[in-house]
Amino acid sequence: QVQLVQSGAEVKKPGSSVKVSCKVSGGAFSSNALSWVRQAPGQGLEWMGGIIPMFDEANYAQSFQGRVTITADESTTTAYMELSSLRSEDTAVYYCARDQRRDDNDVYYYAMDVWGQGTTVTV
Amino acid sequence: AIQLTQSPSSLSASVGDRVTITCRASQVINSPLAWYQQKPGKAPKLLIYDASNLETGVPSKFSGSGSGTDFTLTISSLQPEDFATYYCQHFNNYPRFFTFGPGTRVDIK
Repeated sequence: QVQLVQSGAEVKKPGSSVKVSCKVSGGAFSSNALSWVRQAPGQGLEWMGGIIPMFDEANYAQSFQGRVTITADESTTTAYMELSSLRSEDTAVYYCARDQRRDDNDVYYYAMDVWGQGTTVTV
Repeated sequence: AIQLTQSPSSLSASVGDRVTITCRASQVINSPLAWYQQKPGKAPKLLIYDASNLETGVPSKFSGSGSGTDFTLTISSLQPEDFATYYCQHFNNYPRFFTFGPGTRVDIK
């Protein structure tokens, strides 16, 4: 069973950066794909970007381009999301989620089936 | 980029009601569409993937259908634990990104 455990809540000043971690256990880290999704208070879900550790390749939502960096450390099976130039509108809960899986027939499915518990970032 | 809209944005229903939520894409979707349930203070939960496949462990009262630009999530008989917000989501493979719909809040009438 894949489990995702995120780092704890953060309080940051405007203009600073925050780095949230997502520890992956119970599965093959490198072949998993991980996304970061945020949710501002009272608002909907917003995809920020994702990474496939095996390819060390990250993709980002246009609205976050240049401000977000997603990385993965295979040695610790941990993914990271760093958001810079923080402003009050970045106050939100940030989630990591596994966004692809492969079945026994080597068919891939693209949906977020496992989620971290969320990390509250207050700016 | 593909935009997703959901209707209604909110609804009030009674226990036992059949509820249908619609997700409409701004252009034809040929790639995966998923549905999620989210309760306050909790992470979203995957209900349906590939438009109509029920996620393991999700009750069969949930069903998904649709193709092209119009997709639906149906709850056959609403129960107290189903009062939540529901989101559709599209996956685009090249380039790789996800898009969420704005959500539909289901409240108790």
